Amino acid sequence: NAGVTQTPKFQVLKTGQSMTLQCAQDMNHEYMSWYRQDPGMGLRLIHYSVGAGITDQGEVPNGYNVSRSTTEDFPLRLLSAAPSQTSVYFCASIPAGTAPYEQYFGPGTRLTVT
Amino acid sequence: GQQVMQIPQYQHVQEGEDFTTYCNSSTTLSNIQWYKQRPGGHPVFLIQLVKSGEVKKQKRLTFQFGEAKKNSSLHITATQTTDVGTYFCAGLDNTNAGKSTFGDGTTLTVKP
Repeated sequence: NAGVTQTPKFQVLKTGQSMTLQCAQDMNHEYMSWYRQDPGMGLRLIHYSVGAGITDQGEVPNGYNVSRSTTEDFPLRLLSAAPSQTSVYFCASIPAGTAPYEQYFGPGTRLTVT
Repeated sequence: GQQVMQIPQYQHVQEGEDFTTYCNSSTTLSNIQWYKQRPGGHPVFLIQLVKSGEVKKQKRLTFQFGEAKKNSSLHITATQTTDVGTYFCAGLDNTNAGKSTFGDGTTLTVKP
C-alpha cells in the first residue's frame, strides 16, 4: 500500500491564481480530512469527509473547496490564492468503525503564495 | 468551538533528562490522541486515550488522560536524540472521527 499520497510536494502561486491539491489513499478509509499547518502552530482543519459524496467544513474553510466523488480521492481546491494561504497542507485518512481512529497523514504540500 | 491548548510551546533538554508536555481542553473530550512530527515530516500517530484517568505506556513514553477528561499529558523518561520533534495532542469528536482539534504542539530539542 502507498498509504496517503499528496501532489504536488511544492507549489508557488501568484495571488489570484487557482489550483487543486491532490490527495489519494489506497487503504479504503471512509474518513478523509484536509489540514493546514502554519509555522509554530498546530494543524487546523479545513474540510473533512465521512464518505464519498459527503463533505463538511472544518475550522478554517474560507477560500477552499473540496469534493469526494470516490473513496480514494479528496482534492482541495484553492479558488483565488492569497498570501494568507501560504502554509503546509496535510491530507489525512481515517479508518471508520474501529477505534483507535488513527489519522494517517500524507507527506504534505508546501504552498507559497506571492 | 472546542479549543485545545498545549504547554510549553518549546522545551530544550539535555539528553537523559525527562520531558513532559501538557494538553488542556476547553470542553470535555470524548478521547484524545497524541502525534509526533519530526522536523520536515508529517504527524505520526502515537496513541489514543479514551477512559477517564487512563494511563498508557510505550517504552519510555507515558500518556495520561485526566479524570475529568479535559486534560492529558505525555511524559518521556530519559530523553534521547531520537525523541526530537513536535508533539501534538488532538481532541476527537466522538460523533465524527473525521473531525478533530489539534493543540499547537510542543517542540522538543535534545542536546547530546
